[in-house]
Amino acid sequence: GAVVSQHPSRVICKSGTSVKIECRSLDFQATTMFWYRQFPKQSLMLMATSNEGSKATYEQGVEKDKFLINHASLTLSTLTVTSAHPEDSSFYICSARSWGDGPNSPLHFGNGTRLTVT
Amino acid sequence: AQTVTQSQPEMSVQEAETVTLSCTYDTSENNYYLFWYKQPPSRQMILVIRQEAYKQQNATENRFSVNFQKAAKSFSLKISDSQLGDTAMYFCASYKNNAGNMLTFGGGTRLMVKP
Repeated sequence: GAVVSQHPSRVICKSGTSVKIECRSLDFQATTMFWYRQFPKQSLMLMATSNEGSKATYEQGVEKDKFLINHASLTLSTLTVTSAHPEDSSFYICSARSWGDGPNSPLHFGNGTRLTVT
Repeated sequence: AQTVTQSQPEMSVQEAETVTLSCTYDTSENNYYLFWYKQPPSRQMILVIRQEAYKQQNATENRFSVNFQKAAKSFSLKISDSQLGDTAMYFCASYKNNAGNMLTFGGGTRLMVKP
């Protein structure tokens, strides 16, 4: 089955630094990837939709200058949290859709990244 | 806009018993898709079952089945013969056919299966 690899699984960084999270589709091409954020005991909230070769589409309330998304190839999307602050601490999950999947096909999720900003 | 509501934040069930998780949604679309995802403590999102809105027959996957009531915009998940490994967060989700497959999630229901 389709596998999405997300790296790192855990990261601790100091306030003010930037952190990059990678999302790779290992055995399929993903024209679209989605980045979600999940606070403890809460649901997944869509942050942005990443399309290969074009600018990401951000959801309302998500700062595009703070959460930089790059989808430079059909198998890789990156999320960079710039100038991280403790309130950015959260669980970030990416998901991807195979280029050839039908409309009722589910998304494939990465294992998530737990970011802790100290 | 689509919204998905799960009214049960937490539920528990005895092993081998049956439990039903509720989900309602709001959409103006005719063509959409509904999903139940499971998120165990590992945090990995696992697809449990899916339903296409234009199909009247309720989807079934082994011990998991849904009760899809389109007019009532209800999409409940029934887990039969509950197992300890079913302990997880369960999220109901939907997306529109022409929305780039953007998933909208409900708030989740934490299910605890007790031995």
